[in-house]
Amino acid sequence: DARVTQTPRHKVTEMGQEVTMRCQPILGHNTVFWYRQTMMQGLELLAYFRNRAPLDDSGMPKDRFSAEMPDATLATLKIQPSEPRDSAVYFCASGLVSFDGESDTQYFGPGTRLTVL
Amino acid sequence: KNQVEQSPQSLIILEGKNCTLQCNYTVSPFSNLRWYKQDTGRGPVSLTIMTFSENTKSNGRYTATLDADTKQSSLHITASQLSDSASYICVVSAPRAGGANNLFFGTGTRLTVIP
Repeated sequence: DARVTQTPRHKVTEMGQEVTMRCQPILGHNTVFWYRQTMMQGLELLAYFRNRAPLDDSGMPKDRFSAEMPDATLATLKIQPSEPRDSAVYFCASGLVSFDGESDTQYFGPGTRLTVL
Repeated sequence: KNQVEQSPQSLIILEGKNCTLQCNYTVSPFSNLRWYKQDTGRGPVSLTIMTFSENTKSNGRYTATLDADTKQSSLHITASQLSDSASYICVVSAPRAGGANNLFFGTGTRLTVIP
């Protein structure tokens, strides 16, 4: 049963520290998404990769957030320096995108719950 | 302004009863609409995806409808079970040049099914 995996599942850190979250997409999927979810804002798209290339990261604060896919089996989301307002659950999702840019289904990982003190 | 609004915000129903969740959107142009179920502490799971030409799509006891003219969608749950307790999120996709769609998220409906 193929699944998206994320590590760590929980992270507590102090303001100013660097945080790195990792995601292993489902083998064979060509798109990876990073989302952030808070009670106030709900789900927000942060970044979107297709075939490891970043297609959209307009939802991400560029000054402190960065997303990369060093290879097809690993996506990372880094926050440096972290701030209390970054506290949220960060989800990674992967999927298959057709030629017209549509993804039939996105499969979400279990999320990383980040708390910045 | 592109928006997705869901109602009600929360809903409590008795096990075995039916319920309907609403999603109204102003997103244009339109590519597709998805309903997700999110259990507490877990990632969302896709229930249905509908394109412009689809009016109804079912997934077990879940039936989604779409009226692209009025920009309304509903998710109907039949014979609810305790395991249906979750948040249900409506997501509308709009096409954009370059192949990456814009996604607009509703804030979800929190459904609680009680015995």
